[in-house]
Amino acid sequence: QSVLTQPPSLSAAPGQKVTISCSGSSSNIGNNFVSWYQHLPGTAPRLLIYDNNKRPSGIPDRFSGSKSGTSATLGIAGLQTGDEADYYCGTWDSSLSAVVFGGGTKVTVL
Amino acid sequence: QVDLVQSGAEVKKPGASVKVSCKASGYTFTGYYMHWVRQAPGQGLEWMGWINPKTGGTNYAQKFQGRVTMTRDTSISTAYMELRRLTSDDTALYYCARDPVGDSTYWGQGTLVTVSS
Repeated sequence: QSVLTQPPSLSAAPGQKVTISCSGSSSNIGNNFVSWYQHLPGTAPRLLIYDNNKRPSGIPDRFSGSKSGTSATLGIAGLQTGDEADYYCGTWDSSLSAVVFGGGTKVTVL
Repeated sequence: QVDLVQSGAEVKKPGASVKVSCKASGYTFTGYYMHWVRQAPGQGLEWMGWINPKTGGTNYAQKFQGRVTMTRDTSISTAYMELRRLTSDDTALYYCARDPVGDSTYWGQGTLVTVSS
């Protein structure tokens, strides 16, 4: 059972937009920055978003992040077949003194 | 450029220990905490803890307290994670990661640890 809650899976057609939610509490999302990762099995996670809504260099602006209260959202616009992957949110939890991740969301491009 | 290179895959028997290394290059090793994260087959990312390479101070996830030890050798810019009393549930891909939830994150390539009798 992950501290952060994400939907297990989402699917959409190419070109569409998906939004992935990440729900937490005041001890984690509510008072700390959120990061989002794209993860393909057997590879290192790829940082897509940090500090709630900032994109590292090289990440297309199709990827966007936002946060409101104790929830965060990752948006993927103009969905491509190459976007099929698992997506994770992560943040620091001040009560647990630990990094916490969501359970991951598998995105399928129909 | 920043690089984290981990040691190779390991196969261990139940009850044994494993020690995974993570060699850092391209930045000041003592300037960033090193975290360890694992992913078991079919499961999500699980944070194990961090080590402060400058002081050697550590912070372990409660789940691994008493079973994990994180150390470092600053002379060779290498962090280590040792996990003891292995069970089949410890079969996973283990990653070292610099600043995993920050703006300067880098991850190692992962080390597969298989626990099997």
